[in-house]
Amino acid sequence: EVQLVESGGGLVQPGGSLRLSCAASGFTFSTSAMNWVRQAPGKGLEWVSGISGGGINIYYADSVRGRFTISRDNSKNTLYLQMNSLRAEDTAVYYCARDRVNVVVTALLHWGQGTLVTVSS
Amino acid sequence: DIQLTQSPSSQSASVGDRVTITCQASQDIGNFLNWYQQKPGRAPILLIYDASNLEAGVPSRFSGSGSGTDFTFTISSLQPEDIATYYCQQYDNLWGATFGPGTKVDIK
Repeated sequence: EVQLVESGGGLVQPGGSLRLSCAASGFTFSTSAMNWVRQAPGKGLEWVSGISGGGINIYYADSVRGRFTISRDNSKNTLYLQMNSLRAEDTAVYYCARDRVNVVVTALLHWGQGTLVTVSS
Repeated sequence: DIQLTQSPSSQSASVGDRVTITCQASQDIGNFLNWYQQKPGRAPILLIYDASNLEAGVPSRFSGSGSGTDFTFTISSLQPEDIATYYCQQYDNLWGATFGPGTKVDIK
């Protein structure tokens, strides 16, 4: 069974940093394209970033480019999102999601339960 | 980058009704368009990929069609468990992905 478990969310002040993790199991992580998608309270879905299985191909939404960094450790079956210079508008539930095929980004088939990031003073 | 619009933003229908949602892209995206269902407090579920392909395990009352800039998502006979928000999502290898604003479907 595919499982994606996010962690690392919490309350952070504007301008601060946070690193999210997504622990994966039940599939071959090293060949799977992975993504981060977020959802602000009461709002719609926003794709944030994606990374290929080998970590070579990386994409970012304009809203986070230059502030967020996606990475992965295939030896630990873990996906990361380093978030710097956080703003109030980054407040959201952050989901980790696996691509349906081993190409980033296509259709997001498997999702974690999400982790809440709140940026507030 | 590519923008998506969805209509309507919300829809009320009776059990058994046919429900149709449209998604329009700001430029030609071929068939690179997916549909998701999201219930409150839950992660989204992929229903349709590449415009018209039903994901495994998804009931056949859900369907999708379209190509280029205009796409349609249909629930052929609305069931109580279909109450949710539905999102379209496009993808490309230049900009990544974009979601539409969502359509909330509830029971009349």
